[in-house]
Amino acid sequence: AQSVSQHNHHVILSEAASLELGCNYSYGGTVNLFWYVQYPGQHLQLLLKYFSGDPLVKGIKGFEAEFIKSKFSFNLRKPSVQWSDTAEYFCAVIEDGQNFVFGPGTRLSVLP
Amino acid sequence: NAGVTQTPKFRVLKTGQSMTLLCAQDMNHEYMYWYRQDPGMGLRLIHYSVGEGTTAKGEVPDGYNVSRLKKQNFLLGLESAAPSQTSVYFCASSSWEGREAFFGQGTRLTVV
Repeated sequence: AQSVSQHNHHVILSEAASLELGCNYSYGGTVNLFWYVQYPGQHLQLLLKYFSGDPLVKGIKGFEAEFIKSKFSFNLRKPSVQWSDTAEYFCAVIEDGQNFVFGPGTRLSVLP
Repeated sequence: NAGVTQTPKFRVLKTGQSMTLLCAQDMNHEYMYWYRQDPGMGLRLIHYSVGEGTTAKGEVPDGYNVSRLKKQNFLLGLESAAPSQTSVYFCASSSWEGREAFFGQGTRLTVV
């Protein structure tokens, strides 16, 4: 079965620091990849997605992610975080079937 | 468009009571999902549907039932609530083409 792992449970950064959140998946076939963000008390919102083409994907709010097929990875990056980026971040994969499989999430705390 | 709407937003149940959570989407999406979100465990798929009249089990289906009598609605039922079902429940929908999942605002359920 497909599985998604996220490297960090909780990341604490100061404002303006750079961010990289790791995501690895287990499926070897064609996958669609997503990063979602959940701000405190809110529902999940899409940050970015990768289906095909350029493996470097740009999303909203200055986030980007790089798909590295050989490493089964889809890491999320942001050059300079803001306090408003404090949230929980979920990596998700959908394989040839219909189901989204979510990682356990990484909580990001940005200190002002 | 309202997107994905869940009702109710909050509910407290006594052990053994039953209830139904309603999810409605106005995007004509084929796929609909029910997830539960628990601290440190990310989102776990309860049941999903790939079209009107079809349902399938996800990762944690026990104690829940679902129905998709109309394309726009996906109901999640708890026949006999247990404290272990205390959680935040999210409904999501996606289309075959776009594959991005749109989430509802969530239902916070407490079983006492």
